Amino acid sequence: SQQGEEDPQALSIQEGENATMNCSYKTSINNLQWYRQNSGRGLVHLILIRSNEREKHSGRLRVTLDTSKKSSSLLITASRAADTASYFCATCNDYKLSFGAGTTVTVRA
Amino acid sequence: EPEVTQTPSHQVTQMGQEVILRCVPISNHLYFYWYRQILGQKVEFLVSFYNNEISEKSEIFDDQFSVERPDGSNFTLKIRSTKLEDSAMYFCASTPPPGGTEAFFGQGTRLTVV
Repeated sequence: SQQGEEDPQALSIQEGENATMNCSYKTSINNLQWYRQNSGRGLVHLILIRSNEREKHSGRLRVTLDTSKKSSSLLITASRAADTASYFCATCNDYKLSFGAGTTVTVRA
Repeated sequence: EPEVTQTPSHQVTQMGQEVILRCVPISNHLYFYWYRQILGQKVEFLVSFYNNEISEKSEIFDDQFSVERPDGSNFTLKIRSTKLEDSAMYFCASTPPPGGTEAFFGQGTRLTVV
């Protein structure tokens, strides 16, 4: 399986702090994507990093990819209460996304 | 902003009944997907659909499941004889050409089999 596996499973932080979550996967990928899911809602795409990229930024999001270690990290800086959600990494190969189990992030006001 | 729409938002059905979940992908997208998420668990791939045929399916997608794009806009998932364990959120997604990029997800259909 090339599904990503996130770590930690859950994270609780204070508003203003940074949140870091990691994703490991097993096989080669075309790209790796991160999605957010608010409780009971659909998944929203956050950021995509290609296999030949090492780091990418989008607003308060920073994603790294280490293909030699088959791992990625998502950093959310200066967290807000609205960042409370589950975050999933998804590996993409042959047009199919395979999701990990997710990290549940709670941002305390 | 274009979006993927799914209907109904919630479906309750008796075990053994057939259900059809409906999706309208974004109009210029070419790749379509169904995923499911059992409550509190990971999002699982069911099937991908391209050029009017299934391009890949998972082991979950057995003979009880089928997909169809009947009219060029709708994309449906049919479960022929529902089981209790089919209870889950079902998400439709689509990706623009050339594929392999960000997926746009609908808000999901919560299927409850009783």
